Amino acid sequence: EIVLTQSPGTLSLSPGERAILSCRASQSVTGRYLAWYQQKPGQGPRLLIFAASNRATGIPDRFSGSGSGTDFTLTISRLEPEDFAVYYCQQYGISPPYTFGQGTRLEIK
Amino acid sequence: EVQLVESGGGLVKPGGSLRLSCAASGFTFSSFSMMWLRQAPGRGLEWVSFITSDSSHTFYAESLKGRFTISRDNSRNSLFLQINSLRAEDTAVYHCARAPVGSWGQGTMVTVSS
Repeated sequence: EIVLTQSPGTLSLSPGERAILSCRASQSVTGRYLAWYQQKPGQGPRLLIFAASNRATGIPDRFSGSGSGTDFTLTISRLEPEDFAVYYCQQYGISPPYTFGQGTRLEIK
Repeated sequence: EVQLVESGGGLVKPGGSLRLSCAASGFTFSSFSMMWLRQAPGRGLEWVSFITSDSSHTFYAESLKGRFTISRDNSRNSLFLQINSLRAEDTAVYHCARAPVGSWGQGTMVTVSS
């Protein structure tokens, strides 16, 4: 089973700043099958990025994903107030099991 | 618009059973694999189970095998999760989602307590 480790655990930034979130896998993620989700309190996760770098429908272009192999990054170019939330990465390989990182909390500084 | 609405959660005693349901709309349900995930209070996300579009293959998280059964009814655009021998550590919000990535439902809360 692939273990995903996200860093940092908490990121404190101000609106307008750039956020860089990391997701490291214990072994290579097949086919760049890595997704990023955003979760706000009381809500289900919202898909942001799939296949490492593809934005989901309706996701603003300030969100971008990159990486391959074992190292992946989610970048939010200019933080808006609504971007402060918890972010999770997920690997989904060729077949299950799928695994998630433990999350990065993005908070307002 | 993709909509997934879970139901069937509630308060159950240890050792009890529950059947969770997920009603899907806004897409061709029978064309997609589906999955269940859960999130314990204050914790991260955990993948639970997966089923192919035609129910020919199912997968489960290793630690949950034997107690959880995923199924679907494509004629009713519905996904199900049967959970037996419930334990306190099964307490969580259970979400359904299109597999392997996509929209999630809001979830249904399962609380296991005596």
